[in-house]
Amino acid sequence: AQSVTQLGSHVSVSEGALVLLRCNYSSSVPPYLFWYVQYPNQGLQLLLKYTSAATLVKGINGFEAEFKKSETSFHLTKPSAHMSDAAEYFCAVSGNLLIQGAQKLVFGQGTRLTINP
Amino acid sequence: NAGVTQTPKFQVLKTGQSMTLQCAQDMNHEYMSWYRQDPGMGLRLIHYSVGAGITDQGEVPNGYNVSRSTTEDFPLRLLSAAPSQTSVYFCASSWTGTGNTIYFGEGSWLTVV
Repeated sequence: AQSVTQLGSHVSVSEGALVLLRCNYSSSVPPYLFWYVQYPNQGLQLLLKYTSAATLVKGINGFEAEFKKSETSFHLTKPSAHMSDAAEYFCAVSGNLLIQGAQKLVFGQGTRLTINP
Repeated sequence: NAGVTQTPKFQVLKTGQSMTLQCAQDMNHEYMSWYRQDPGMGLRLIHYSVGAGITDQGEVPNGYNVSRSTTEDFPLRLLSAAPSQTSVYFCASSWTGTGNTIYFGEGSWLTVV
């Protein structure tokens, strides 16, 4: 069984400040982990993914995340927030993407990021 | 390169009506799935398919029906719409392989009154 918990349904930061969105997971198999971003009234866009290679994963728009097995965490960070980063962010976990049928995603509840000017 | 295409984008239904949300992908992906998104609950898996002719239930399958007659199409049927099915629906597809990505459609906003 797999589950994801995103700490904080709403995070607010100032423009130029560090962005930190927290994600903890539970998985009975080695996890594949994802961060998606959703802008208002739009679909989901993949920011980055962890697929058992490097533990520090770099994604689009200056975001990165670090897989920490001991802490069962996959927190998303960005050194300097931009107004265009305002959106909802989802952390998700799946099984091994190399196994047929294991591509089911379990999502966290989402975190709405607000950027203050 | 269309990717994953969902139709319609917006729909209003009356309670008890039936309808089908269409999903098509042009990437020859074997795996397709449907999720619903509700405030504060993230996305939850409704049904999924690992190939033509094979479907299975996800976390919240009640009230929905699916079939997969071709690799490209994976329609989601609401048999008798209820207000609790007011949601945003996303279709996704992927293939089994190194470095694969799960692609999402743009979403279908459904309101049941």
